[in-house]
Amino acid sequence: GAGVSQSPRYKVAKRGQDVALRCDPISGHVSLFWYQQALGQGPEFLTYFQNEAQLDKSGLPSDRFFAERPEGSVSTLKIQRTQQEDSAVYLCASSLAVGPSYNEQFFGPGTRLTVL
Amino acid sequence: AQSVTQPDIHITVSEGASLELRCNYSYGATPYLFWYVQSPGQGLQLLLKYFSGDTLVQGIKGFEAEFKRSQSSFNLRKPSVHWSDAAEYFCAVGEGSDMRFGAGTRLTVKP
Repeated sequence: GAGVSQSPRYKVAKRGQDVALRCDPISGHVSLFWYQQALGQGPEFLTYFQNEAQLDKSGLPSDRFFAERPEGSVSTLKIQRTQQEDSAVYLCASSLAVGPSYNEQFFGPGTRLTVL
Repeated sequence: AQSVTQPDIHITVSEGASLELRCNYSYGATPYLFWYVQSPGQGLQLLLKYFSGDTLVQGIKGFEAEFKRSQSSFNLRKPSVHWSDAAEYFCAVGEGSDMRFGAGTRLTVKP
């Protein structure tokens, strides 16, 4: 079966541009997570969805970051007016069950965003 | 605030040698603990996890980890390293919807 897929794999944006990053979770997975991984660092939690409901967005660094999962499957992370500090790898993960921190999360390969 | 510390940024071991990667956490209650591995260009893969019970947990690829409450540690071990184990290793702590990762340890394997 297919794993978590993310697109694009690489994105170069000029400062001030808007970007949209897509995540296709494993079919049937209820929980979906977004993480930001800066160079040389571990992933940092951004936001969590249970089906279409965004239950936790405490990790989003600013109001320029917005995530949605309107039909409870595919999710999009949007960054408006990108800044250089947004350059990072954005990881998506999904989990079969609810109760996010104690169920295995399956990670996608990530989208590497470079803001010039 | 909860935190995860991986004291070793980079470790080099010879193929066939034993390995121990350190992880310390700062947390009030007994946390959920994980080790993930990340190969270049790949997503993170779960090696093993600890929730409760036996403090020595076995994982995939011959890895194991031991939870020591008194030391707030969850170190990852492997008795004999293979060249394919070269990767970045992340320790993580989970609570609620928050999963906190350490900064990672990069493992290099010498032939």
